[in-house]
Amino acid sequence: DAKTTQPTSMDCAEGRAANLPCNHSTISGNEYVYWYRQIHSQGPQYIIHGLKNNETNEMASLIITEDRKSSTLILPHATLRDTAVYYCIVRVGGGSQGNLIFGKGTKLSVKP
Amino acid sequence: GAVVSQHPSRVICKSGTSVKIECRSLDFQATTMFWYRQFPKQSLMLMATSNEGSKATYEQGVEKDKFLINHASLTLSTLTVTSAHPEDSSFYICSASDNPYNTGELFFGEGSRLTVL
Repeated sequence: DAKTTQPTSMDCAEGRAANLPCNHSTISGNEYVYWYRQIHSQGPQYIIHGLKNNETNEMASLIITEDRKSSTLILPHATLRDTAVYYCIVRVGGGSQGNLIFGKGTKLSVKP
Repeated sequence: GAVVSQHPSRVICKSGTSVKIECRSLDFQATTMFWYRQFPKQSLMLMATSNEGSKATYEQGVEKDKFLINHASLTLSTLTVTSAHPEDSSFYICSASDNPYNTGELFFGEGSRLTVL
């Protein structure tokens, strides 16, 4: 699976949009981009995933560049409860072993 | 989303004893479950992949005789830490997929914090 690069930490003001970048320049054509987050001392929580089209759900939006070498997770109105470590992961779909390889992620701190 | 439950959430044991952690998929059948370990201030590290009815596949450096994994049914996988020592103290997390091709998201348990005295 391709490696990803994320900033170590980011701050965001409560109520503002949080934009979390991720670089995955060696991503293959059959690899999906997944985002998970982990609030302290809890298991990871699925946020969103995509292949090449932008995706939106009730939690966030995922913007994937046309060349698929980078993506951005957008939390439109961050709250204090969004403080967590956010993991960007790429992995192959479609029949192969689907375990997730976690990097170090971005520690997002939402401040009042 | 689907629910994965782990039990116990916290366990403290004496050095040399064995500890069993259960991972259950509550509202779906999980053909594959994954076990992770997380040390303080570090990321999750995959320990093993568990497939129902077959032997688990362990990652390099993980002792299969120390970390026994059983996936006897489509809704239950267990991790037994045998002869636990203080260095085994960690946060153990399981995840499960309801998609046999593993193309969708994985659902994670709440984690089990093991402290070995």
